[in-house]
Amino acid sequence: QKEVEQDPGPLSVPEGAIVSLNCTYSNSAFQYFMWYRQYSRKGPELLMYTYSSGNKEDGRFTAQVDKSSKYISLFIRDSQPSDSATYLCAMSASGSARQLTFGSGTQLTVLP
Amino acid sequence: DSGVTQTPKHLITATGQRVTLRCSPRSGDLSVYWYQQSLDQGLQFLIQYYNGEERAKGNILERFSAQQFPDLHSELNLSSLELGDSALYFCASSAGPGDTEAFFGQGTRLTVV
Repeated sequence: QKEVEQDPGPLSVPEGAIVSLNCTYSNSAFQYFMWYRQYSRKGPELLMYTYSSGNKEDGRFTAQVDKSSKYISLFIRDSQPSDSATYLCAMSASGSARQLTFGSGTQLTVLP
Repeated sequence: DSGVTQTPKHLITATGQRVTLRCSPRSGDLSVYWYQQSLDQGLQFLIQYYNGEERAKGNILERFSAQQFPDLHSELNLSSLELGDSALYFCASSAGPGDTEAFFGQGTRLTVV
């Protein structure tokens, strides 16, 4: 069983929908939780970063971490076609980029 | 544009061969990370260099090696290539050795035939 599990999708939603992306993990040492966005033929870019449990909001994006359930989520409000990408969750115990464990990614398409 | 430059963008080679992938980090960044992204394994950390010295090793095969030069660019050498080495190889950079955020290049797509 992988340390980080992520539904690969694909997920297709109409423009304006609320999108929910999720990951579960098994390593209780994970303290730092990230979401990366990867457009086709591009490298991943850091979208959101959360330490420990709680919520973090940045514009249309909200990241939630529930350490008791070992479950993290990314919500995208008012989704746009430009949000179409693969979303990767990543986490680590130390916060260092070298020790990130990535999920397999969820492919999202927002239809105009 | 992240500021991290990787060359070449695409590489096709035969089994048993050796290739070198090149990475130029963002201006001012001292750390370089190499990652492999494949369909079955996802994105996996291979190795990190900081200011010319190896800092951390991940799931890097013995057939693979890397180095970081005085001008801070890095090269990833892959030898005795196998079909299973076909993947996207990403370089990322950050300012310090333990930064949370690393900036990724566009990757080199390696196809071994």
